[in-house]
Amino acid sequence: GQNIDQPTEMTATEGAIVQINCTYQTSGFNGLFWYQQHAGEAPTFLSYNVLDGLEEKGRFSSFLSRSKGYSYLLLKELQMKDSASYLCAVRTGGGNKLTFGTGTQLKVEL
Amino acid sequence: NAGVTQTPKFRVLKTGQSMTLLCAQDMNHEYMYWYRQDPGMGLRLIHYSVGEGTTAKGEVPDGYNVSRLKKQNFLLGLESAAPSQTSVYFCASSHPPGLAFNEQFFGPGTRLTVL
Repeated sequence: GQNIDQPTEMTATEGAIVQINCTYQTSGFNGLFWYQQHAGEAPTFLSYNVLDGLEEKGRFSSFLSRSKGYSYLLLKELQMKDSASYLCAVRTGGGNKLTFGTGTQLKVEL
Repeated sequence: NAGVTQTPKFRVLKTGQSMTLLCAQDMNHEYMYWYRQDPGMGLRLIHYSVGEGTTAKGEVPDGYNVSRLKKQNFLLGLESAAPSQTSVYFCASSHPPGLAFNEQFFGPGTRLTVL
């Protein structure tokens, strides 16, 4: 079976840094994705990791450790518009299928 | 370039009614997917397709059927709607794995309520 765990909610201050963790136990692993989803909208792609290490894209970075079944998304210089749900998803098997975690609702406050 | 579009955006059905949700993409993607999203459950894969004329079951396929007659379209059907199918439905598409930028692109969603 597949199991992906993320914290349900997090709160952070504008301008700060926040780290959203994701742990997974899956049968097979072929990449980990992070998506952002604002309320009432579609998920949008943020980052992809398939090898261990850190991937950086502007204010967003994502880290992967395959041996630990662990990833995190790091958001720097937080802005109010970063208030959203952040979804961790693992690709396993064929068909480019993704198994999603339940998402972490991030609230950015002044 | 519209990306992934879905029709309708909202729909209310009575138990036992049938309907079809349409997904269209203009990115020439081989792969297409249907998900449902429920509070506290995350996105769950219903059915997917790896090419025109092919479909396969995902995690929660019961009560749904799909068809992929054209590469750019993926239809999701509910033959006899049940209240448990009240959800937000998202369609997505992607290139096959192994190609660069093989992330899934999502449509805006369809909010379905079954009374």
